[in-house]
Amino acid sequence: EVQVVESGGGLVQPGRSLRLSCSASGFSFGDYAMSWVRQAPGKGLEWVGFIRSKTYGGTPEYAASVEGRFTISRDDSKSIAYLQMNSLKTEDTAVYYCTRGLGRFLEWLPYGMDIWGQGTTVTVSS
Amino acid sequence: DIQMTQSPSSLSASVGDRVTITCRASQSISKYLNWYQQKPGKAPNLLIHAASTLQSGVPSRFSGSGSGTAFTLTISSLQPEDFATYYCQQGYSAPPYTFGQGTKVEIK
Repeated sequence: EVQVVESGGGLVQPGRSLRLSCSASGFSFGDYAMSWVRQAPGKGLEWVGFIRSKTYGGTPEYAASVEGRFTISRDDSKSIAYLQMNSLKTEDTAVYYCTRGLGRFLEWLPYGMDIWGQGTTVTVSS
Repeated sequence: DIQMTQSPSSLSASVGDRVTITCRASQSISKYLNWYQQKPGKAPNLLIHAASTLQSGVPSRFSGSGSGTAFTLTISSLQPEDFATYYCQQGYSAPPYTFGQGTKVEIK
């Protein structure tokens, strides 16, 4: 079964850090771009960023709201993507979804995200 | 950034109704428009990509059309399992890959 499973969420104080993991299975992880999307309580979807496959250097792109604070990385040997979140703010409180970009060996994500995890909740509060 | 605007924000409809949701982009995004369905407490599910290509397993009552700046998602005959929130998302330019604000489809 093709799936991704997030972990690492929890309650964290403002200014602190947290790392989310996304474990993939059932597909050739290294062939795909992986993306993170978040959803604040009662709100809509917000794209956080993505990381390209190694075919395109494994380089990331970020939303302006997290640029400089969040880092996306990947370990293709373990089929895991990570979201390192530093200097967390209360407005980062959300469910964070790990997603797979639709289409293998794509440099960008023109066709959206076809596999989503169940999400992991991050709460930033003192 | 490209802004995505959906209308309406919510609608009430009955089983069997034809439902249309509109998504407009602040600039041309060619055909790179994707639609998602999200049910309460669940992750979104990709319904349509590239404006009109139905994802595998998605019922044929769902269809998408449009190009440039104006797009529509149509449900030809609303079923009980279709009551959900629908999001459009542009795949033309990033960062960011912006989503619309969502359209909640409720039971009349």
